[in-house]
Amino acid sequence: NAGVTQTPKFQVLKTGQSMTLQCAQDMNHNSMYWYRQDPGMGLRLIYYSASEGTTDKGEVPNGYNVSRLNKREFSLRLESAAPSQTSVYFCASSEATAGLAGGLLQSYNEQFFGPGTRLTVL
Amino acid sequence: RKEVEQDPGPFNVPEGATVAFNCTYSNSASQSFFWYRQDCRKEPKLLMSVYSSGNEDGRFTAQLNRASQYISLLIRDSKLSDSATYLCVVRLYNNNDMRFGAGTRLTVKP
Repeated sequence: NAGVTQTPKFQVLKTGQSMTLQCAQDMNHNSMYWYRQDPGMGLRLIYYSASEGTTDKGEVPNGYNVSRLNKREFSLRLESAAPSQTSVYFCASSEATAGLAGGLLQSYNEQFFGPGTRLTVL
Repeated sequence: RKEVEQDPGPFNVPEGATVAFNCTYSNSASQSFFWYRQDCRKEPKLLMSVYSSGNEDGRFTAQLNRASQYISLLIRDSKLSDSATYLCVVRLYNNNDMRFGAGTRLTVKP
């Protein structure tokens, strides 16, 4: 199993160019996510897809679009790249699990991350 | 104010030391809590979930205090291989929106 794969690993764009970041998972997970990670900010959710055919905005969706092509693949598109979009982009997937802890049913949702795409916009 | 706050560190400790990381979260509706580990220039990986009653996994102990909206991670007998950034993560119940802290960097030295 490859887990979560992302392409490309590195990319340099000029302001205004467009590109699509690809993500695929082979764990048969329903949920997939796109994050960006910037120094001092932690990971911030851009978009997520709870299941095939659905997508929802996260914390920082502006300037991005997504497509859940099928259960395996979730792509992130930058239509007109800006220097503020220079970041490391991580794709993740998860399958909800649940268990009892302290007498309460709790839902746990481990996310598995891809290796990341380092994007620089000049 | 950030939704999840962590001391960024860095924490520089000798091998064998005990080190504790703290994390606070602002949304009282948060229901699931995790610690992730991220090595330099790598992706985050789940270290452990944090249960309401607290839990231990080998040298690692996680605690949750819902009243104070506070999570902690204790690492005993630190190893060189523990050097990494530790991310505190919270999630609303039945919601795929997870919020990450900026991370606490740990360096364990010989």
